[in-house]
Amino acid sequence: NAGVTQTPKFQVLKTGQSMTLQCAQDMNHNSMYWYRQDPGMGLRLIYYSASEGTTDKGEVPNGYNVSRLNKREFSLRLESAAPSQTSVYFCASSQRGPREQYFGPGTRLTVT
Amino acid sequence: GQQLNQSPQSMFIQEGEDVSMNCTSSSIFNTWLWYKQEPGEGPVLLIALYKAGELTSNGRLTAQFGITRKDSFLNISASIPSDVGIYFCAGERSGSARQLTFGSGTQLTVLP
Repeated sequence: NAGVTQTPKFQVLKTGQSMTLQCAQDMNHNSMYWYRQDPGMGLRLIYYSASEGTTDKGEVPNGYNVSRLNKREFSLRLESAAPSQTSVYFCASSQRGPREQYFGPGTRLTVT
Repeated sequence: GQQLNQSPQSMFIQEGEDVSMNCTSSSIFNTWLWYKQEPGEGPVLLIALYKAGELTSNGRLTAQFGITRKDSFLNISASIPSDVGIYFCAGERSGSARQLTFGSGTQLTVLP
């Protein structure tokens, strides 16, 4: 089992460019999450999907969109990147609600 | 915003020493989780706590769910160099709509 995988691992964008971060899990989990991590701060929830076909906003959703493509895959899209979106992005999944989340290795995004 | 106060922010200890860290909040939590993050990796779940007063161990790690449901503690006994990393607490707040709140982390350095 690979667990939670994320692509790409690193990305540099110019202000205004768009991109999609990909996440997939092979644990047959129902719930999936996108977080951002900034220096000296804990993880902040961007969006989550409690089950296939549903998505909900988290603490910091502005500037992002998500798609739960199927049970395995949950993507995060930046339509018009801004320097404030420079961060490390983590995808996570869980079987039962927000408890016991398993994290991917992260995508390090820099917006210049 | 951030609703978990995690302390200390950083610790420098000698190999073999015991370590204690904690998280506190003004809100009531239904679940407490402790994660460890190593450089360049995603957080890894160490211990999950589900009941007030619960004390759970995972090897040299012991965590407790505070009796008031507003705090949690993590202890590491006889620290070793591979304990180095950032330790995060996370909690599922009562009425949080399927979201975790994360502390800002404790950076642990173990000196030989």
